[in-house]
Amino acid sequence: KNEVEQSPQNLTAQEGEFITINCSYSVGISALHWLQQHPGGGIVSLFMLSSGKKKHGRLIATINIQEKHSSLHITASHPRDSAVYICAAHLGYGGSQGNLIFGKGTKLSVKP
Amino acid sequence: NAGVTQTPKFQVLKTGQSMTLQCAQDMNHNSMYWYRQDPGMGLRLIYYSASEGTTDKGEVPNGYNVSRLNKREFSLRLESAAPSQTSVYFCASSEWQGVTRSGEQYFGPGTRLTVT
Repeated sequence: KNEVEQSPQNLTAQEGEFITINCSYSVGISALHWLQQHPGGGIVSLFMLSSGKKKHGRLIATINIQEKHSSLHITASHPRDSAVYICAAHLGYGGSQGNLIFGKGTKLSVKP
Repeated sequence: NAGVTQTPKFQVLKTGQSMTLQCAQDMNHNSMYWYRQDPGMGLRLIYYSASEGTTDKGEVPNGYNVSRLNKREFSLRLESAAPSQTSVYFCASSEWQGVTRSGEQYFGPGTRLTVT
C-alpha cells in the first residue's frame, strides 16, 4: 500500500476553472512537496511546506498536519497548466534526507 | 547556471552490459538523489547522498551502485543491466538544513534507458 495517495488520478477541466488536487499520507512527515512534471518529462518543484499555506502566482498549496492531508489549488486554470502533479512526503523528523515517498501523480488536462 | 545536468539523455543497452549515468549540479547543494520513474509506479528513490563522501540506499537499490565523486557530481552505475531496469532515471539535488530550511529538490532532465 502506497503511503502517499493522490486524488484524482486524472482530471479534465475547462480553461478558467478552479482546480483542486488532493494528497493524503499515512505516516508522520517533516515536509511535503508538490512537483509538476511537464508533458516533455521535466520535473519542477512547485512547493515544499511543513505547515499552513503557500502561494505562488495562481498556485496555492495547503497542508493540515493533524489530518495528514495536503491540497494543491490552481485558480483560473489555463491550458499551459496541463501536466502531471506529484505529491511527495518527506518522512520522519530531523532531516532524514532519503525518506521521500512519492504519490503516483494526478494528470491534469485543461481544455481551451 | 545550468542547474542539474544528466548524461546521456537516451541509452539502449543489451542485457548484461554495464553503463554509468552521470549527474552534476552547480547550485552547491549538499544532497543528491537518483530516482527511477516507471509507468503507474511513481518516482522511487534508488540511492541518495546526504553530503560529499556519504551514500545511502533508497527504496530500490538492487542492481545499482553510486559514487559521490565530489560535491558537484553523483553517478549511478548499472553493472549488469537487466530488462527490469528499463526506466526513466532522474537525478536531483537539494539543500537540506533541517525542517525550517528549504529542501526543495531540483531535478535533471532525465535519462530514458531501455534494456533489451
